[in-house]
Amino acid sequence: SQTIHQWPATLVQPVGSPLSLECTVEGTSNPNLYWYRQAAGRGLQLLFYSVGIGQISSEVPQNLSASRPQDRQFILSSKKLLLSDSGFYLCAWSYWQVVGVGYTFGSGTRLTVV
Amino acid sequence: AQTVTQSQPEMSVQEAETVTLSCTYDTSESDYYLFWYKQPPSRQMILVIRQEAYKQQNATENRFSVNFQKAAKSFSLKISDSQLGDAAMYFCAYRYNDMRFGAGTRLTVKP
Repeated sequence: SQTIHQWPATLVQPVGSPLSLECTVEGTSNPNLYWYRQAAGRGLQLLFYSVGIGQISSEVPQNLSASRPQDRQFILSSKKLLLSDSGFYLCAWSYWQVVGVGYTFGSGTRLTVV
Repeated sequence: AQTVTQSQPEMSVQEAETVTLSCTYDTSESDYYLFWYKQPPSRQMILVIRQEAYKQQNATENRFSVNFQKAAKSFSLKISDSQLGDAAMYFCAYRYNDMRFGAGTRLTVKP
């Protein structure tokens, strides 16, 4: 069966420090991968998605970047965190070219920038 | 651009009663998919129910059912026999390529 792992679960980082959140998927090949951010009490904002190794699409210009160095690994990064980067970050995957199936989400990372 | 609107930021229901959460969306596509996700306090996103736009029959999953009105672009979720464990944020989502989410409805279940 397929599983998705996301870590760390909680992170407190100072302003100006770097960020690296990691997400890996097991049990499937060539998944579509997504990074979402959820502000407190709000909906989910799509940040990045990837349909293959090295293929990253960005939804909104921001202080963050994403990379996909391996088929089932998706990394969210920042060189210098801002206070506004605080939030709950969710990684998700879906089957490649299968639109009718919902996304499966990781357990999320709560990021607090201080 | 596709948008999803959930007009009820908060809803409340008595245990064992029925509640309906509203969702509307905007699209020019004819074949797409709609979903309801539940996010309990743990913040884990859980898929509740899905609906194919080309199917007229409303989807049901145990106590959860939808009222899908394609022409009106409406996709409401009905929860019957509400239980304390149903308390959560509920997100409506639309998918043609990637998935777009509404802002969510926080459901409180009163014992």
